[in-house]
Amino acid sequence: GENVEQHPSTLSVQEGDSAVIKCTYSDSASNYFPWYKQELGKGPQLIIDIRSNVGEKKDQRIAVTLNKTAKHFSLHITETQPEDSAVYFCAALTPNTGNQFYFGTGTSLTVIP
Amino acid sequence: NAGVTQTPKFQVLKTGQSMTLQCAQDMNHNSMYWYRQDPGMGLRLIYYSASEGTTDKGEVPNGYNVSRLNKREFSLRLESAAPSQTSVYFCASKQGTYNSPLHFGNGTRLTVT
Repeated sequence: GENVEQHPSTLSVQEGDSAVIKCTYSDSASNYFPWYKQELGKGPQLIIDIRSNVGEKKDQRIAVTLNKTAKHFSLHITETQPEDSAVYFCAALTPNTGNQFYFGTGTSLTVIP
Repeated sequence: NAGVTQTPKFQVLKTGQSMTLQCAQDMNHNSMYWYRQDPGMGLRLIYYSASEGTTDKGEVPNGYNVSRLNKREFSLRLESAAPSQTSVYFCASKQGTYNSPLHFGNGTRLTVT
């Protein structure tokens, strides 16, 4: 099945700086890549997603890039704020496995005021 | 605007006891999922139901059973709980279209002693 690796596992940045989280996937057939933010005691919430026919997508301070050749995708958060502190998960959806998503192991982001 | 509702929020069981985790969604989604979340391991799929009347095993199904009661409800049952099943359990749902994201509940924290 698909294998998704996520780095780094922890990340600390100063408020106002940028944060980048990277994921790689193994199955070249994967074609949908959502990113989730999980706050303490809550379920993951979708923040942005990208489909394989698009190289980049942006939503205000958040952007995602996809390199299909290298099989990696990244989350970029600019002008970080303390409320961005959370755990972030990447995921990949592979048609070979029906409607199953494969998740990375998460990145704990801390934004220092 | 409830989304995905899980009950209970917390549960403590003794080894060998049984229990059912309940999940309901009000978004008219076709597909529903059960994940477990353990430290450093991300989200792992236990079972899913692509549509009402169907269920399939995910990555870690051993020790669990599921029931898709109707389109709204998808329950997860532990017949004989073991300490290895101590985890946070998340239910999620998804529209029928392929490239659409999961919507998660806020989880059930289960401890088995």
